[in-house]
Amino acid sequence: DVKVTQSSRYLVKRTGEKVFLECVQDMDHENMFWYRQDPGLGLRLIYFSYDVKMKEKGDIPEGYSVSREKKERFSLILESASTNQTSMYLCASLPSWDRFEKLFFGSGTQLSVL
Amino acid sequence: QKEVEQDPGPLSVPEGAIVSLNCTYSNSAFQYFMWYRQYSRKGPELLMYTYSSGNKEDGRFTAQVDKSSKYISLFIRDSQPSDSATYLCAMQETSGSRLTFGEGTQLTVNP
Repeated sequence: DVKVTQSSRYLVKRTGEKVFLECVQDMDHENMFWYRQDPGLGLRLIYFSYDVKMKEKGDIPEGYSVSREKKERFSLILESASTNQTSMYLCASLPSWDRFEKLFFGSGTQLSVL
Repeated sequence: QKEVEQDPGPLSVPEGAIVSLNCTYSNSAFQYFMWYRQYSRKGPELLMYTYSSGNKEDGRFTAQVDKSSKYISLFIRDSQPSDSATYLCAMQETSGSRLTFGEGTQLTVNP
């Protein structure tokens, strides 16, 4: 079974802090994604990566950056955390864009910014 | 207006009931239609997917797509307490395009 592991289940940070959310997948998937999930808004795509060192903006990239130095690891960075970034963050991986494939999600990181 | 609309619920039903979950959408280019199930404190997992119109059945679950009405449904027969979860619809235009998710419907099946 594919495993997508997010390093923290819960995080509490202060406004202005730099925050790193880490995600690792163990199935050699090309593509990785960061979503945030908020009540009333559903899942929204922040960034995705289709290869090492490659990244594309999603629908809500403002205030975030990403890093993919190795194929298995995709990091989400909040350069200066703000209270409106309090949310559930979900990482996902996808084997291929060539045919229909399902997304594999991690269990999520609940981030609170105080 | 959101591209995909889904009633967030919450929906509470007795065990054994037939459950109907629905999404409407505005983008006529959507061709792949999915239902993800998300248990509490877990990430979503793909439950079913359908390409274009029609029905698909998998055990107690049936997915329906009506492209003429831009409406998709997930039916759960003989619902069980283990079906209690949030159900998210998701859609994409082609296999290589981004997914657009609905808000999710929170379902509770009471024993």
